[in-house]
Amino acid sequence: GAGVSQTPSNKVTEKGKYVELRCDPISGHTALYWYRQSLGQGPEFLIYFQGTGAADDSGLPNDRFFAVRPEGSVSTLKIQRTERGDSAVYLCASSWDRGGTQYFGPGTRLLVL
Amino acid sequence: DQQVKQNSPSLSVQEGRISILNCDYTNSMFDYFLWYKKYPAEGPTFLISISSIKDKNEDGRFTVFLNKSAKHLSLHIVPSQPGDSAVYFCAASSGSQAGTALIFGKGTTLSVSS
Repeated sequence: GAGVSQTPSNKVTEKGKYVELRCDPISGHTALYWYRQSLGQGPEFLIYFQGTGAADDSGLPNDRFFAVRPEGSVSTLKIQRTERGDSAVYLCASSWDRGGTQYFGPGTRLLVL
Repeated sequence: DQQVKQNSPSLSVQEGRISILNCDYTNSMFDYFLWYKKYPAEGPTFLISISSIKDKNEDGRFTVFLNKSAKHLSLHIVPSQPGDSAVYFCAASSGSQAGTALIFGKGTTLSVSS
C-alpha cells in the first residue's frame, strides 16, 4: 500500500515569505506527526494530530509555525515570515490510533535564502 | 540537554561481521524504544522496537537489547551487509500509545564494506 507522501519534495524561498508543506498520511492512520530535522541532528517533534485536532503542539518553536488537518487526513504545515534558521527537512509521520510505530514520509527540504 | 544520546557518530564494519550500534537515554519515564534507518534523501524507515518490559527483541538479522538499569540499548546486525550502510537513529517515547512524541538521538552512520 501507499506510504506517507509529502509535497513538495524541495522548497526554496526567500526570507520573510510564507510557505505551506503538505502531508498525506497512510490510509486509515488517525495519528499524524510533524518533525523537523536540521543538519547533523535527529528529527525533533513539532506537533501531533489525533483526527482533526492538534493534541500536542508543544514542539512548535514559535507562533510563526502553524499546522492544520481539517478533515482528519491530509495535513498542512504553515510557516509565516520564514527565517534562514527555518531551513531544514520537515518530516511527517503517521500511526494507527492504538499503535506506537510511526511511519515517516520522505520529507520536504526547505531552504530559506 | 539531550535525552537520547548516540555517542558514536560513525561505525565502519566489514561485510559478514557484526555491527553494534549503541544508544543511551537519561529520562527514566521512557518505556518504548525504536530504531530507524535512514538513507540519503529519504525519510526514516522503522526497523525494530522494544518495550521496557522486555530486554531483547529479535527480527531476522536485527536484535535490540535493552538494559534498563544502565539506561542503555543497542542494535546488533548480524551478518552485516553493504545494503545496511545508512544512518541509524535511536528513538524513545514514554508510551507505546499513538500520540507520543518520539525523542531521537543524533544518529550513527554505519558503513559496511564488501
